[in-house]
Amino acid sequence: TQLLEQSPQFLSIQEGENLTVYCNSSSVFSSLQWYRQEPGEGPVLLVTVVTGGEVKKLKRLTFQFGDARKDSSLHITAAQPGDTGLYLCAGVATGSARQLTFGSGTQLTVLP
Amino acid sequence: NAGVTQTPKFRILKIGQSMTLQCTQDMNHNYMYWYRQDPGMGLKLIYYSVGAGITDKGEVPNGYNVSRSTTEDFPLRLELAAPSQTSVYFCASSSSGRAGTGELFFGEGSRLTVL
Repeated sequence: TQLLEQSPQFLSIQEGENLTVYCNSSSVFSSLQWYRQEPGEGPVLLVTVVTGGEVKKLKRLTFQFGDARKDSSLHITAAQPGDTGLYLCAGVATGSARQLTFGSGTQLTVLP
Repeated sequence: NAGVTQTPKFRILKIGQSMTLQCTQDMNHNYMYWYRQDPGMGLKLIYYSVGAGITDKGEVPNGYNVSRSTTEDFPLRLELAAPSQTSVYFCASSSSGRAGTGELFFGEGSRLTVL
């Protein structure tokens, strides 16, 4: 079982549509990060959220950390083909031994 | 602008062979990590290091060894390769010792197949 569950696993949408991907856990996290990974490359950090209820915006991307710090969401407005990639959430559960745990990812495809 | 460099990018091994995946970073980061990524499973931490001479096990260390003789280099050794070690391996580094808050900088990955 994954400590961080991401949904959906796959998402294919048309350019211009909006979408939300989710990262959920039964554990409390001291912080959560979102990374994007393109084929043949390593993940690249998009954002870090550390406060329950925190909302961060990065152009068309909006990230939210749940009030209870057990979940997070990523909302993309007016998706573009350049948004295509694997989106990974990652976090450190409170009480864990300083290890960053990754979710299994959401593979997003934005069709032109 | 090298960042984190991994070699080789691709490798095919026979069962029982050994090899070393090389990782070097030029950002003077103290913290370095090795992850493996399997389809649909996210990234799993194999080993990490908080500085030269200091290494520790992650979530899935069995079948692997690491060393950290310099700040720049963090090689991952596979002894007696098994098909279960077929995966994509990523090396990463960070300037922050507080996991989950600092940015991890990843290499491009090393795709290993064990037949």
